[in-house]
Amino acid sequence: GENVEQHPSTLSVQEGDSAVIKCTYSDSASNYFPWYKQELGKGPQLIIDIRSNVGEKKDQRIAVTLNKTAKHFSLHITETQPEDSAVYFCAATFRMDSNYQLIWGAGTKLIIKP
Amino acid sequence: DAGITQSPRHKVTETGTPVTLRCHQTENHRYMYWYRQDPGHGLRLIHYSYGVKDTDKGEVSDGYSVSRSKTEDFLLTLESATSSQTSVYFCAIKKTGDTEAFFGQGTRLTVV
Repeated sequence: GENVEQHPSTLSVQEGDSAVIKCTYSDSASNYFPWYKQELGKGPQLIIDIRSNVGEKKDQRIAVTLNKTAKHFSLHITETQPEDSAVYFCAATFRMDSNYQLIWGAGTKLIIKP
Repeated sequence: DAGITQSPRHKVTETGTPVTLRCHQTENHRYMYWYRQDPGHGLRLIHYSYGVKDTDKGEVSDGYSVSRSKTEDFLLTLESATSSQTSVYFCAIKKTGDTEAFFGQGTRLTVV
């Protein structure tokens, strides 16, 4: 079946440095790629997303890039801060019956070291 | 918060017993989802609903059933709980035409 692979599973970076999380997807028809952040004890929350007709999108310290040919997309966080510590999930759409659903990566635990 | 309440937040139950988890929304969104979250697997869709009495299976629906008799409530039932159903369960809602899903705070279910 379709899947999304996410790497690394854990990422530890020094405060102020950049963090990059990568995902690959299998369904060439996928056209929407969100990133969610999950803080401890809470549900995931959307932080940024990108559609297949765009190669890059930025929102302050966060950016997402998409390479449709290679079927991979990445989350970039610059100038990391302690509040960036969380689990990050990527996802991609895939067609299930007559609807589109999201298939999720396994998550990356980001640790920001002071 | 997006007006989603999951109940209970924590539950311990015995193998073979029925369990029902509730998701309640105040947003009047059309779409509601039940996911389970397990280490190394991310979020996996169990069932979803696209309207009152309209539900469909997700990728891991075996052993689960759902019901949606009102727009605001989406119930997930484990007819006979097994240890493999120990997990954290998340409900999510989505508005028609939107792409963003809003998640509840989760229910931690332990089957002993």
